[in-house]
Amino acid sequence: AQSVAQPEDQVNVAEGNPLTVKCTYSVSGNPYLFWYVQYPNRGLQFLLKYITGDNLVKGSYGFEAEFNKSQTSFHLKKPSALVSDSALYFCAVRPWELSFGAGTTVTVRA
Amino acid sequence: NAGVTQTPKFQVLKTGQSMTLQCAQDMNHEYMSWYRQDPGMGLRLIHYSVGAGITDQGEVPNGYNVSRSTTEDFPLRLLSAAPSQTSVYFCASSSTGVDEQYFGPGTRLTVT
Repeated sequence: AQSVAQPEDQVNVAEGNPLTVKCTYSVSGNPYLFWYVQYPNRGLQFLLKYITGDNLVKGSYGFEAEFNKSQTSFHLKKPSALVSDSALYFCAVRPWELSFGAGTTVTVRA
Repeated sequence: NAGVTQTPKFQVLKTGQSMTLQCAQDMNHEYMSWYRQDPGMGLRLIHYSVGAGITDQGEVPNGYNVSRSTTEDFPLRLLSAAPSQTSVYFCASSSTGVDEQYFGPGTRLTVT
């Protein structure tokens, strides 16, 4: 069985500071890892994915994520957070069924 | 492309009623899924399909039925609604079982 854990329910940062949202995964075989963002009363938007190749993956809106096989982690990062980054973030793993973490609420204060 | 569309956006049902949530995609994706989202629990997979005529159960299938007669459509049927089915329902699609999924806007269902 595959699973994802997001250890932090909430992350609070000041605008302009670095943002990190943590994710660890468990899967047999090669992991296909994803980050999604959800704004209030909206559907999920795809941010980035890791399939294979470089461990540092760049995605939409200035986000990036680092795949670490030895630590089974896939943390989402943004060098300089914006107030508009405030949202609910989900990490997820495939293949086949997309298994989601419980989500991390990010609040960026001005 | 409209992407993934869902209807209705909102629905209120009484316990015991049945209804169908509609989902359609115009991207010719083979893989489609239904999820429910509940606070603090992320998204949980209800049913999925890897192509027309093929469906399978996910993590929380009880009380729901699906069918996939065409590539485009993947309706979700609630057989006899229960208050525990109050949730937000999302449909998603992808071209394969390893690509990113594209999500619809969701249906907010309340069962009283």
